[in-house]
Amino acid sequence: TQLLEQSPQFLSIQEGENLTVYCNSSSVFSSLQWYRQEPGEGPVLLVTVVTGGEVKKLKRLTFQFGDARKDSSLHITAAQPGDTGLYLCAGATGTASKLTFGTGTRLQVTL
Amino acid sequence: KAGVTQTPRYLIKTRGQQVTLSCSPISGHRSVSWYQQTPGQGLQFLFEYFSETQRNKGNFPGRFSGRQFSNSRSEMNVSTLELGDSALYLCASSSGSWSYNEQFFGPGTRLTVL
Repeated sequence: TQLLEQSPQFLSIQEGENLTVYCNSSSVFSSLQWYRQEPGEGPVLLVTVVTGGEVKKLKRLTFQFGDARKDSSLHITAAQPGDTGLYLCAGATGTASKLTFGTGTRLQVTL
Repeated sequence: KAGVTQTPRYLIKTRGQQVTLSCSPISGHRSVSWYQQTPGQGLQFLFEYFSETQRNKGNFPGRFSGRQFSNSRSEMNVSTLELGDSALYLCASSSGSWSYNEQFFGPGTRLTVL
């Protein structure tokens, strides 16, 4: 069974701080995606990384895929209250559309 | 382009009943996947349909079933409901042809089993 462990589980920070969320697995994934989910809504896709060692930047968010394609990280610079939500990583193998989701990191950013 | 829509948004049922949830994917998307989200287990894959055929299946009992119609709309059915079936059921659509498997989720159906 493929598992994706995220850390930390919960994070409460103040506006302007930086943070990193980690997503680790013992399995290799062909691609890894990050989603953000707000209460009462479905997850919204933030980014897809597919190449080992790949780094993608989306404004204040930086995503990295590990060289061995088993882990990933999400770094947020100068967090804002609008970044509050549940962050989920999800891995896919091959061409299957079956995603294995991580355990989730709940982020709260306060003023 | 309209997003993924799910109906109903909220549902309350009692143990032993059955329920049918509906999902309309993004126009042009041929793959529809279903996930169950609970506080304890997180997001778990139920099954995926592509061109009216079940292409992938998760580890859920046979009480959970689904189907896809020729217009790519999908339904999920749960029979003989149990208390543990209370969850947010999410539908996701994708083109089905990309190897990157980018999926776009609907808002979910919140099912409560009493």
